[in-house]
Amino acid sequence: SAVISQKPSRDICQRGTSLTIQCQVDSQVTMMFWYRQQPGQSLTLIATANQGSEATYESGFVIDKFPISRPNLTFSTLTVSNMSPEDSSIYLCSVEDHRVGEQFFGPGTRLTVL
Amino acid sequence: AQSVTQLGSHVSVSEGALVLLRCNYSSSVPPYLFWYVQYPNQGLQLLLKYTSAATLVKGINGFEAEFKKSETSFHLTKPSAHMSDAAEYFCAVTKRSGTYKYIFGTGTRLKVLA
Repeated sequence: SAVISQKPSRDICQRGTSLTIQCQVDSQVTMMFWYRQQPGQSLTLIATANQGSEATYESGFVIDKFPISRPNLTFSTLTVSNMSPEDSSIYLCSVEDHRVGEQFFGPGTRLTVL
Repeated sequence: AQSVTQLGSHVSVSEGALVLLRCNYSSSVPPYLFWYVQYPNQGLQLLLKYTSAATLVKGINGFEAEFKKSETSFHLTKPSAHMSDAAEYFCAVTKRSGTYKYIFGTGTRLKVLA
C-alpha cells in the first residue's frame, strides 16, 4: 500500500485568495487523483493527474479554478484559485495501484473560506 | 456508465447489534466494488473490496460484504456493532480495466448507541 501525506491539513482563507495543497506519496505512482468532499456530501473527482501531461478534469471543474501540477512520480499540487465560501470542503488526493486494483487516500485538507 | 446508490444516509444501531449498510450499483461492465470508512477528521480507509474472486468478501474490523450480481448489490455487514464503528461509510464502484476512476456513493453515517 502507499502512504500519502497532504499539506496543509487544514486552513482558513479569505475570499478571493488562492491556496495550494500538496500531496506526497512514499512510492512512485503513475496516476494521482484529486477529490472534493463538500460538507456532508460524498467525494467528487476533480481531476486525474499523470506525470508529464496535463491533468484531465471532470465535468464541472476547470483548470483556471483548480490548476494542478504533477512534476514527478511522487508529488502533486492542487491550487484552489480565487476562493469563495462555496469552495469550503475537504480536498483529498489519492493514488492508484494497478497491481491490487484499488486507490489509497491521503488524510485530506480541510479548507474553510470566509 | 456506472453509479452507486447507498440507501439510508444515517443508520443507528445498538452496541452489539447487527450492522447492515446497503449499497446497490449500476455498471455496464463487470465492476470492482469497495467499501471505505471515514472517521471524523480523517481520510478514507479501505474496509474491503470485491475484484471478481469470492463473492463473500471479508475485510478489516470484522466487516464483510457479499457481491450479488442478480441484485446488483454489495451490502456491508458486521455481526456485532462496536462503539468504535461509528463513522461515515462509502461504497464505490469502478471498472476492471482502464483507469480506476471511482464513483462514490453518497455515504452512510453509522451511529452506535450504548
